[in-house]
Amino acid sequence: GDSVTQMEGPVTLSEEAFLTINCTYTATGYPSLFWYVQYPGEGLQLLLKATKADDKGSNKGFEATYRKETTSFHLEKGSVQVSDSAVYFCALSDRGAGTASKLTFGTGTRLQVTL
Amino acid sequence: DGGITQSPKYLFRKEGQNVTLSCEQNLNHDAMYWYRQDPGQGLRLIYYSQIVNDFQKGDIAEGYSVSREKKESFPLTVTSAQKNPTAFYLCASSPTLAWDTEAFFGQGTRLTVV
Repeated sequence: GDSVTQMEGPVTLSEEAFLTINCTYTATGYPSLFWYVQYPGEGLQLLLKATKADDKGSNKGFEATYRKETTSFHLEKGSVQVSDSAVYFCALSDRGAGTASKLTFGTGTRLQVTL
Repeated sequence: DGGITQSPKYLFRKEGQNVTLSCEQNLNHDAMYWYRQDPGQGLRLIYYSQIVNDFQKGDIAEGYSVSREKKESFPLTVTSAQKNPTAFYLCASSPTLAWDTEAFFGQGTRLTVV
């Protein structure tokens, strides 16, 4: 079945540091890939997405590239801010999974940015 | 403002009681979902619905029930058969069940068994 593996957290960085959160996936079909962000006490918000190989999703300085050859979708940001502190979820939705577009989530990676 | 509203934000349940979590959306989305979030386990799908009067079991449906009598509403009942109901519950919706469609999430309901 489908699965998403994320790097364990928490990740603690100083402000303006470079961020990478690794994400790899297993899918039976040809999935779309997503990064969602969850701020404390809130629901999830879409951060970015990519729907085909070599696509780059980007938003708010975050980027991730759909790498089919390595089944990866790593999240990066060149300079993090304190306001980026949150939990980040990698997810996939598999086109080959039939009629239901069910999101499969990774376990989440908590990011803590300090001054 | 368009969005998804979950209520209540916090809910306490006694052993053996059924409780119902509310989810309402005004985005005119066809598809709605319920997820359960536990620490270190990400989100797991409980039930989803493609259209009014239709819903399907997700990966962890045992001990839960849903209804979809109106397009904008998708309430979740946590029954006494759910052995470990303490968790954070998230409702979501999307325009369709298309595989490349973004899901929009509510703020969540934290359920605690006392």
